[in-house]
Amino acid sequence: DAGVIQSPRHEVTEMGQEVTLRCKPISGHNSLFWYRQTMMRGLELLIYFNNNVPIDDSGMPEDRFSAKMPNASFSTLKIQPSEPRDSAVYFCASISGTGDEKLFFGSGTQLSVL
Amino acid sequence: DQQVKQNSPSLSVQEGRISILNCDYTNSMFDYFLWYKKYPAEGPTFLISISSIKDKNEDGRFTVFLNKSAKHLSLHIVPSQPGDSAVYFCAASLYNQGGKLIFGQGTELSVKP
Repeated sequence: DAGVIQSPRHEVTEMGQEVTLRCKPISGHNSLFWYRQTMMRGLELLIYFNNNVPIDDSGMPEDRFSAKMPNASFSTLKIQPSEPRDSAVYFCASISGTGDEKLFFGSGTQLSVL
Repeated sequence: DQQVKQNSPSLSVQEGRISILNCDYTNSMFDYFLWYKKYPAEGPTFLISISSIKDKNEDGRFTVFLNKSAKHLSLHIVPSQPGDSAVYFCAASLYNQGGKLIFGQGTELSVKP
């Protein structure tokens, strides 16, 4: 298995632009998570889906952030409009949901908002 | 309020010696604890875990100890190898909330040859 796949690996954009991050979870995993890593707050959960349904979005910082999971193999995290304080590494992760609680992470998207 | 704390941002150890990474937590309802290892420009990878009903779990060179009364866990790496140099994150979750992890800030381990 290729693992969790995220794209792009790096994104540089200007303040006010829309940013879309993409994720393909491990095939067969039924839960998908979006995490963000910053120097100030470390790794924090933004939102997670179970069977494509958003379960908990309490970590989403503002309405500028939105996430979708249209099918079991694809999810997006969108920031519109982006701000410099959104600069961070965004990780997608998935879990099998069979009771094995190991979370598998993608390589992350390094986002820089200028 | 940080529920999971790793108070040492960095640790340097000689190759072949023991590395001990520490983690404290405040929420007594945490049911499951994990350690993740992260290399630069990669995502965290699972290393070892322990359920709250145990006090020790061992996997090769890696052992995790849990002291529930002290709300403390530690990761022991014996013997340490240069390839172990990475950032180590402690994480915790509540019962039946697999994947919804609360992470510590991480400890950067450097193993010197």
